Amino acid sequence: NAGVMQNPRHLVRRRGQEARLRCSPMKGHSHVYWYRQLPEEGLKFMVYLQKENIIDESGMPKERFSAEFPKEGPSILRIQQVVRGDSAAYFCASSTSGTVNEQFFGPGTRLTVL
Amino acid sequence: KNEVEQSPQNLTAQEGEFITINCSYSVGISALHWLQQHPGGGIVSLFMLSSGKKKHGRLIATINIQEKHSSLHITASHPRDSAVYICAVMEYGNKLVFGAGTILRVKS
Repeated sequence: NAGVMQNPRHLVRRRGQEARLRCSPMKGHSHVYWYRQLPEEGLKFMVYLQKENIIDESGMPKERFSAEFPKEGPSILRIQQVVRGDSAAYFCASSTSGTVNEQFFGPGTRLTVL
Repeated sequence: KNEVEQSPQNLTAQEGEFITINCSYSVGISALHWLQQHPGGGIVSLFMLSSGKKKHGRLIATINIQEKHSSLHITASHPRDSAVYICAVMEYGNKLVFGAGTILRVKS
C-alpha cells in the first residue's frame, strides 16, 4: 500500500513562470491537505480538499495560488507567476473521510524560484 | 502568542538518555499529532491522540485535554532519533496548526 506520493520532489522555476505540484493520496483516502514550510519557518496550512470540492482555503494566498482535486487523478497545487518568496517546501497530506482522522504526509516538493 | 507552543526549542542529549518534549496549546482541538522531520526530509506521523497515552516502541505520547498539554517521551535515546519533532493540533474542521518544532540532537 503506497504512501502519499508527491511529484516532482524538486522543482526549479524562474520568476514569472508557473509551478504545478502534484499529490496522489494514499489508497482509500479522499481528503487532501496542502501545507507550506518556508525556509527557517514552521509549517502552515494552505488548503483542504475533498474530491471535486474545496473545503477550507483559508490559508491560501489571495492571488496566484490555486488548488484542485479532480474526480480522477492527483490533487494539483498551482502557483502562477512565481516569485522568490514562493521558494519553500510544499507538503501534501491525506486522510480518510470523516472527522478526526490521522493525516499521512508525502515527502514534499521543494520549490526553488530563481 | 502562538496557538501551539513547544519546549524546548533545541535539545541535546547523550545516547541512552530519557527525553521529554512538551507542547501546550490554547485552542479547542479534536486531536493532536506528533510528527518527526529529518533535515531536508519528509514528515512522518508518529502519533495522533485525543486522550490518554499511546506507546510505540521507545516513543510514548501523552495528552491532558483539561490542561491543554501534551508530551512526547523518548526512552533510551539513540543518535538516529536526531530530528525535528513537531506538535500539531487538529482544530475542528481537520486543519492542523503546527508548533515551531523541537530540534533534537542525540550524541553518541
